[in-house]
Amino acid sequence: EVQLVESGGGLVQPGRSMKLSCAASGFTFSNYGMAWVRQAPTKGLEWVATISYDGSSTYYRDSVKGRFTISRDNAKSTLYLQMNSLRSEDTATYYCTRVEDAFDYWGQGVMVTVSS
Amino acid sequence: DTVLTQSPALAVSPGERVTISCRASESVSTLMHWYQQKPGQQPTLLIYLASNLESGVPARFSGSGSGTDFTLTIDPVEADDTATYYCQQSWNDPTFGSGTKLEIK
Repeated sequence: EVQLVESGGGLVQPGRSMKLSCAASGFTFSNYGMAWVRQAPTKGLEWVATISYDGSSTYYRDSVKGRFTISRDNAKSTLYLQMNSLRSEDTATYYCTRVEDAFDYWGQGVMVTVSS
Repeated sequence: DTVLTQSPALAVSPGERVTISCRASESVSTLMHWYQQKPGQQPTLLIYLASNLESGVPARFSGSGSGTDFTLTIDPVEADDTATYYCQQSWNDPTFGSGTKLEIK
C-alpha cells in the first residue's frame, strides 16, 4: 500500500524558514517524480514544486522560486521542501504527492501557518 | 499559466447523471486529470489523461474531452459523492481549476 506521510509543519513567523518532510513507503520511491501541492484555508489546490525521480530536475511555481527548494533522498525514501523567507500567503496545508501522469497518490497533508 | 475554468457548484438528486465541465485557456491535448476532495480529506485521483479511470474508482465516474473542453460525468450519483471536484492540467506547469462543489440533494 502506497503511503505518504508529511511532517514538519506548524506556526512560523514571517521571514523565517521551515522544512517539510514526506516519508514514502509501499512503492519504489526512486522510480517516481514527486511534488508538493498546497491548499490555503477554504481555497483551491495550487501546485508548488516538482522533482524528477533522480533529483536532477526541479520545477517551481513563480511565487516560490528563489525561496523554496524541493529535494529528495532516495536512500531514505523521503521528499523535502525547504521553505525560506516565508510570507503570510504561504499559509496552507501542504500535500506530498507522487507523480505518474497525474498526482496519483497524496499524503494527508501538513499545515503551515505563517503569522507573527 | 494555463487557466482552467470550472462552474462553482452543482446540486443533484441521488440516481441522477451529473456532468462537471472544465475549460482550459489553451489546448492541453489530453493531459487533463480529475480529483475528488471530500471535506477534511486529501484529494484523490479519479480520472487521468482525460478518460482513464484510476484503479479502484467506481465505474460510475468517467471522463471525456480533448484540447480545451473536458467533462467529468458521474452516473448515477450517490450520496457519498458529495465533494469538491478539481480538474488539473499537466501540459505545462501544473494548474488546477477552482473546483466544483457537488451537493447531493
